[in-house]
Amino acid sequence: KNQVEQSPQSLIILEGKNCTLQCNYTVSPFSNLRWYKQDTGRGPVSLTIMTFSENTKSNGRYTATLDADTKQSSLHITASQLSDSASYICVVSDSDDMRFGAGTRLTVKP
Amino acid sequence: EAQVTQNPRYLITVTGKKLTVTCSQNMNHEYMSWYRQDPGLGLRQIYYSMNVEVTDKGDVPEGYKVSRKEKRNFPLILESPSPNQTSLYFCASSLNGGLLTGELFFGEGSRLTVL
Repeated sequence: KNQVEQSPQSLIILEGKNCTLQCNYTVSPFSNLRWYKQDTGRGPVSLTIMTFSENTKSNGRYTATLDADTKQSSLHITASQLSDSASYICVVSDSDDMRFGAGTRLTVKP
Repeated sequence: EAQVTQNPRYLITVTGKKLTVTCSQNMNHEYMSWYRQDPGLGLRQIYYSMNVEVTDKGDVPEGYKVSRKEKRNFPLILESPSPNQTSLYFCASSLNGGLLTGELFFGEGSRLTVL
């Protein structure tokens, strides 16, 4: 069973709308959690990192949250743009390994 | 410019014909790894290397080989490719394996089709 579960699998929204992507994990002991953005046909690029002591971090229109007690993270995208269309991958590290979620495919339509 | 370079980007080959996908990074990173990405399965680690001459199996190493003779290069070798190795492959590097706050830097990907 994958230790990092992302939902939804795919999402379609209209340009300008907000959306929230979810990442639930069972990885233990927790070290850090990263969100990556992967444009079609490109390699993933890091958006943000969350460590145990952080519960919110922003990168422009992207805001990540972390609840270490419930082992959940979310990525909120505000005022979506067409360029936000991509896959978003949650990666959770423990003491000696990284676990990848399967990703959420976001499509932003005009 | 800091980057991870993979070659070839696209390749169509036939079953059993040995091939090598090269990966090179110019950031002096110690950690390098290979992943395959298949629809619905996400990124799965094939092999990784913590440093020169040190390699370890990831989650899906069967059918693949790697070597790390120098810090910057980490080639992926398919000795006898089979159709189930048709996939999108990514090489990545990091200062410390991404385990602390280290970030993974990915190449642009190599799309391999085995007929």
